[in-house]
Amino acid sequence: EVRLLGSGGGFVQAGGSLSLSCAASGFNFRNYVMTWVRQAPGKGLEWVSSIGGSGRTTYYADPVKGRFTIFRDNSKNTFSLHLNGLRAEDTALYYCATGDFINYFDYWDQGTQVTVSS
Amino acid sequence: SSKLTQPASVSVSPGQTARITCSGDGLTNQFTHWYQQKPGQAPLLVICKDNERPSGIPERFSGSSSGTTATLTISGVQAEDEADYYCQSADSTATYYVFGSGTKVTVL
Repeated sequence: EVRLLGSGGGFVQAGGSLSLSCAASGFNFRNYVMTWVRQAPGKGLEWVSSIGGSGRTTYYADPVKGRFTIFRDNSKNTFSLHLNGLRAEDTALYYCATGDFINYFDYWDQGTQVTVSS
Repeated sequence: SSKLTQPASVSVSPGQTARITCSGDGLTNQFTHWYQQKPGQAPLLVICKDNERPSGIPERFSGSSSGTTATLTISGVQAEDEADYYCQSADSTATYYVFGSGTKVTVL
């Protein structure tokens, strides 16, 4: 059974930093693109960042480019998102997600809350 | 991928058919995928690659795509189908993903 378990997050002042992590199990982790998707309160889903199986390729949405960094540790079946220069508009529930096919997401965790105070 | 536009809301009576559209220029050469999200829950994939239903998804959920518009159809809507629905696409090498604005389906 595929399982994703996110952790980290919390409350931070604007300009501060946070790290999110996601532990994966039940599949061949190193073969999967891993992704972060966020959802601001009362708003829709927004893709944030993805990382290829080897960790060498990373992709970011424009609003977070240059501020967020995604990385993974295939030896531990985990991937993470480091959030720098946080803004009030980064306040959201952050989901880690992946899929059997690189273009969509079969599997999601329950989300990790990030709250940025201005 | 480009912006994906969905209607904000759709209302339907039980047993009737709900159709949710998703429009975007990039959909002419990219697959569309659909997610259902109920309050307090993570999104659930209900349709992938335009019209494929993942294991465990009821047959009343179906999808289609033509030109710049994809459509999610829920036939014989049930009360439990009340949720937000999001379309999603990606560029061909999955270097960029985009979600639609979301549609709230209300079962009257």
